[in-house]
Amino acid sequence: QVQLQESGPGLVKPSETLSLTCTVSGGSISRYYWTWIRQPPGKGLEWIGYIYYSGSSNYNPSLRSRVTLSVDTSKNLFSLNLSSVTAADTAIYYCARGGFFPAAIFAMDVWGQGTTVIVSS
Amino acid sequence: EILMTQSPATLSVSPGEGATLSCRASQSVSSSLAWYQQKPGQAPRLLIYGASTRATGIPARFSGSGSGTEFTLTISSLQSEDFAVYYCQQYNNWPPITFGQGTRLEIK
Repeated sequence: QVQLQESGPGLVKPSETLSLTCTVSGGSISRYYWTWIRQPPGKGLEWIGYIYYSGSSNYNPSLRSRVTLSVDTSKNLFSLNLSSVTAADTAIYYCARGGFFPAAIFAMDVWGQGTTVIVSS
Repeated sequence: EILMTQSPATLSVSPGEGATLSCRASQSVSSSLAWYQQKPGQAPRLLIYGASTRATGIPARFSGSGSGTEFTLTISSLQSEDFAVYYCQQYNNWPPITFGQGTRLEIK
């Protein structure tokens, strides 16, 4: 079955760029909506954005000026870049798959285990 | 942005009993609503999409209902593994996709 695995630095300095990758295994990256979601410590879930396998994307307006998503279909992975980070960006970052259910493309049926990113000097 | 409000924040229920969790949207989201379960240290798991359709492998004791602005997740005969935090999510009006703040279901 499809599995997702996030990877990237666990510690990022303030004002720098957070970069994470989500590797898709057990299935193709094609035809799905690949999403990033984060969860600050002890808090709820925040949608960051999605990228379709074709490269089209959409972001949370609250983060749009700082977020870039990309996809590499040849390597079956997609990536998140979040610039100018502050302590408020400290969170568990999850990647997830949407689009398995045609009428519910943003119901996310497969999730990575999550990776903790701390923003601190 | 659509605001999703879940109630109660915490629900205490005994194993074997049923539980009803509520989710309200600040404006209509039609039936574009999902429910997730999250256990400590784990990623969320999709339970329900389309307000009432169980995802693959989800037990029949989980059921969802509602449309528009009012939604309910009902869990009949609670098992020990059901005690967790539950989130609703709307995907009708985006960006952004938005989640409720969660309901913690705890053992009474």
